[in-house]
Amino acid sequence: QQKVQQSPESLIVPEGGMASLNCTSSDRNVDYFWWYRQHSGKSPKMLMSIFSNGEKEEGRFTVHLNKASLHTSLHIRDSQPSDSALYLCAAHPNTNKVVFGTGTRLQVLP
Amino acid sequence: EAGVTQSPRYAVLQEGQAVSFWCDPISGHDTLYWYQQPRDQGPQLLVYFRDEAVIDNSQLPSDRFSAVRPKGTNSTLKIQSAKQGDTATYLCASRGLGYAEQFFGPGTRLTVL
Repeated sequence: QQKVQQSPESLIVPEGGMASLNCTSSDRNVDYFWWYRQHSGKSPKMLMSIFSNGEKEEGRFTVHLNKASLHTSLHIRDSQPSDSALYLCAAHPNTNKVVFGTGTRLQVLP
Repeated sequence: EAGVTQSPRYAVLQEGQAVSFWCDPISGHDTLYWYQQPRDQGPQLLVYFRDEAVIDNSQLPSDRFSAVRPKGTNSTLKIQSAKQGDTATYLCASRGLGYAEQFFGPGTRLTVL
């Protein structure tokens, strides 16, 4: 069964700092990855997706993808306390089934 | 556009009781997912439908869990004889044909005492 591994499990960064989150899939049929953010008590909301090798930037958020190693990373610069949440990586193979990782809990300290 | 709606928002049961969760996806979305999310973990897929057909229910504990989507719109997830290990948030998500993004409902937080 496909697994999606995320690291670290938890991360604490100071306000204004850089947060880096990692995700790797075991399924070579993965077409693309999603990053979701889930604030406490809320449902997951999609942050960014990436389909191609390389980098994609949206505001303070940058996603990298290396398809050969099935590894993606999410980087948040100038982290804000409002970024504190559970970050979920989801791998989307060439089916409709999406597999989520266990998440990285980010805490941004003011 | 209305989002995915779920009810109830909360449920508290004793072990052995039954409970049903209801989901109304975004209008026109053909694919509907049910996830179980234990506290501080990622969502784990239980079952998903395309229209009224079950596509994958391999992770659904079939002895106590069942899910239906009879008209390809709303869906019901039922737990017979709940166990303490079922304590989690149950999330419903839907996705439109040709689109990859899933939209999640607010979830039902279940506590089994």
